[in-house]
Amino acid sequence: QSALTQPPSASGSPGQSVTISCTGSSSDVGGHNYVSWYQQHPGKAPKLMIYEVSKRPSGVPDRFSGSKSGNTASLTVSGLQAEDEADYYCNSYAGSSTYVFGTGTKVTVL
Amino acid sequence: EVQLVESGGGLVQPGGSLRLSCAASGFPFSRDYMTWVRQAPGKGLELVANIKEDGSVLYYVDSVKGRFTISRDNTKNSLYLQMNSLRAEDTAVYYCARDYYYCIDVWGKGTTVTVSS
Repeated sequence: QSALTQPPSASGSPGQSVTISCTGSSSDVGGHNYVSWYQQHPGKAPKLMIYEVSKRPSGVPDRFSGSKSGNTASLTVSGLQAEDEADYYCNSYAGSSTYVFGTGTKVTVL
Repeated sequence: EVQLVESGGGLVQPGGSLRLSCAASGFPFSRDYMTWVRQAPGKGLELVANIKEDGSVLYYVDSVKGRFTISRDNTKNSLYLQMNSLRAEDTAVYYCARDYYYCIDVWGKGTTVTVSS
């Protein structure tokens, strides 16, 4: 399985919005509504931010939202805050109990 | 509180072995799929292996097949990863995580494995 494609970087000023794309294929992103997004700060473990394309776990701010169209999923962070600066990874179920991760996007708050 | 705590990482020479352990608490471990995910220095996340609640192995990434073995002991709420014939490219932080209804939702803090002579 090939990694899902994400842009290496994205940035925005405080209060602005940033959207990260995650492109796969009909075997993963396009074939299942099981896309997750993770936030990872340096030296820390990934934290689940979005699951099942657009659902937020308890405790995740509603500034984080997810969507999907065809083989591409997206994560939008609205009202950017300094603490949102981190690496973000998408993940998709790919069938047969396997998962594929995205290449990762570094979000910088200017 | 749901918690996963990994241990067993360290420095090992190429060709050597290590056994990683993961202690789970705060959820019904025996009912859930579990997984190991790794992250090489400066790189992205990679699913290494996952296992059903009954101990049936679901998946190994191609690069570890025949060298790594995932297992679990539901009586001890523990997950394991036996790593043999280690290579430099296995150097990574290894995370234990829960695989819950098509989502890897809970992660441990990770344990570092360094393969170097």
